[in-house]
Amino acid sequence: GAVVSQHPSRVICKSGTSVKIECRSLDFQATTMFWYRQFPKQSLMLMATSNEGSKATYEQGVEKDKFLINHASLTLSTLTVTSAHPEDSSFYICSARDRGDRGGIGYTFGSGTRLTVV
Amino acid sequence: KQEVTQIPAALSVPEGENLVLNCSFTDSAIYNLQWFRQDPGKGLTSLLLIQSSQREQTSGRLNASLDKSSGRSTLYIAASQPGDSATYLCAVHMDSNYQLIWGAGTKLIIKP
Repeated sequence: GAVVSQHPSRVICKSGTSVKIECRSLDFQATTMFWYRQFPKQSLMLMATSNEGSKATYEQGVEKDKFLINHASLTLSTLTVTSAHPEDSSFYICSARDRGDRGGIGYTFGSGTRLTVV
Repeated sequence: KQEVTQIPAALSVPEGENLVLNCSFTDSAIYNLQWFRQDPGKGLTSLLLIQSSQREQTSGRLNASLDKSSGRSTLYIAASQPGDSATYLCAVHMDSNYQLIWGAGTKLIIKP
């Protein structure tokens, strides 16, 4: 089945540095990728939607200059957390929608990245 | 604005019991509803997808029902096993876009 590879699975960084998270669709083309953030004991919150070749659409309250999303190809989307601070520590998950999906499940999720900013 | 609520937030039962997880949503104009499983610190696994025109879906020991008019879905797990321990999330897909709106999840612990 469809697989989304997300790396790294865990990252610890110092406050003020930037961290890049990658999501790759391995056997399908993802025209749309979603980036979610999940704080402990809370539900997933959509951060942004990225479409291949165009600018990402950010949800209200998400700083686009802080969370840079690049969806340069149909198989790769990246999320860069710039100038990370401890409050950015969270679990980040990407999700991709298969270009060939016809109203089916359509969503394939990455395994997530646990970001800890110290 | 669509809101998705899951009750209970946590559930601990002995192995072998049948159990029901609940999901409710405020706007019945959904495109579909999905149940997911999330293991600690890991990504999500899609369990069942119910289209808005469907009443239920079954996969193995899992059965999900959907009552759009009342804004409810249930996930029934038969003969629970310790390996079923995880957080179960429901999410609805609205008609106008591809965004999923999530419940906060039910943390399930199956005791051996």
